[in-house]
Amino acid sequence: SQTIHQWPATLVQPVGSPLSLECTVEGTSNPNLYWYRQAAGRGLQLLFYSVGIGQISSEVPQNLSASRPQDRQFILSSKKLLLSDSGFYLCAWVSGSAGELFFGEGSRLTVL
Amino acid sequence: GQSLEQPSEVTAVEGAIVQINCTYQTSGFYGLSWYQQHDGGAPTFLSYNGLDGLEETGRFSSFLSRSDSYGYLLLQELQMKDSASYFCAVKAGYSTLTFGKGTMLLVSP
Repeated sequence: SQTIHQWPATLVQPVGSPLSLECTVEGTSNPNLYWYRQAAGRGLQLLFYSVGIGQISSEVPQNLSASRPQDRQFILSSKKLLLSDSGFYLCAWVSGSAGELFFGEGSRLTVL
Repeated sequence: GQSLEQPSEVTAVEGAIVQINCTYQTSGFYGLSWYQQHDGGAPTFLSYNGLDGLEETGRFSSFLSRSDSYGYLLLQELQMKDSASYFCAVKAGYSTLTFGKGTMLLVSP
């Protein structure tokens, strides 16, 4: 069966520090992968999606970037975090004609 | 772009029926999905409507009217564990899903 893992689960970072969140999918090949962000009490905002290795589409301009170095690995990065980057970051892959999203456990980031 | 509107909060008692509405504006509409998210957890898929009409999955049903750009999620025989946030989401392109801001459902005894 397919599984999706994210790490770290929780992190607290100072403003201006770098960020790297990792997402790995198992049990499937060439998945479409997504990074969403959810601010406290808010909806899910699509940040990036990838249809294959090295292929990244950005939905929202910001100081974040994404990379897909391997088929089943998706990384979210920042060189310098802002306070507004705090939130719950969710990696997901899509399955089926309905576009059903399967989410990872999420990474909760607090920028101080 | 896409935009979705859903109520921010709904309250109900155990055993009751509740309906969460969702209206959307989008181009290139493919379908409407619903997700459930418990506090602190990740969203999980509930249902998908690609065509007009009602889809039923156990206690949950979802409805879509493409001509009205409207859908709803119906939850029957409410249980305490149904307390969660519910998101409608529009599939408006091959690769992306746009979510509403979510409806927090509070179920009381």
